[in-house]
Amino acid sequence: EAGVAQSPRYKIIEKRQSVAFWCNPISGHATLYWYQQILGQGPKLLIQFQNNGVVDDSQLPKDRFSAERLKGVDSTLKIQPAKLEDSAVYLCASRQYNEQFFGPGTRLTVL
Amino acid sequence: DQQVKQNSPSLSVQEGRISILNCDYTNSMFDYFLWYKKYPAEGPTFLISISSIKDKNEDGRFTVFLNKSAKHLSLHIVPSQPGDSAVYFCAATLNTGNQFYFGTGTSLTVIP
Repeated sequence: EAGVAQSPRYKIIEKRQSVAFWCNPISGHATLYWYQQILGQGPKLLIQFQNNGVVDDSQLPKDRFSAERLKGVDSTLKIQPAKLEDSAVYLCASRQYNEQFFGPGTRLTVL
Repeated sequence: DQQVKQNSPSLSVQEGRISILNCDYTNSMFDYFLWYKKYPAEGPTFLISISSIKDKNEDGRFTVFLNKSAKHLSLHIVPSQPGDSAVYFCAATLNTGNQFYFGTGTSLTVIP
């Protein structure tokens, strides 16, 4: 069974630029999560989808972050414009029952 | 507000000895707890879990203990192996809420 796929693996941008991350969850997993993990901290939930609907986006900085999952499968997370404090690893996970399966993450560096 | 806490950022253990990683939580409504293991440049991988109706779950060298009255869980690894060196995150979830709450992680180093 293929795992959660994410791309790109690494991205370096300058502040005020925009960036997009892509996630393909495990086939059949209806629930998808985006997390932000800053160095030395645990993953922090940004947004949770159930199929193509948003379940929880209370911690998503909506002035600069957006996410979509139009067909209930793949998802994209966008940051526009990026700030220095957005430097982090962005993790995508999908869920089956009580377990989450994580992708390898995208390491974003904002200069 | 950090609802799941791992107060030890790092732990070093000799190969063959027991590793004990601790986790505390504040929300008594959490009903499912998980441990994840993370290697550098990889996403976290699921290790072991426990439901709030149990106080112990064992899987090979890994055992998770849950003390609901103390709002505390621990992961025991026996015997520890060098390949166990990684960052370990505990997580908790409310079955109805679907959201997972993560601790800040403990970096385990197993010394050969």
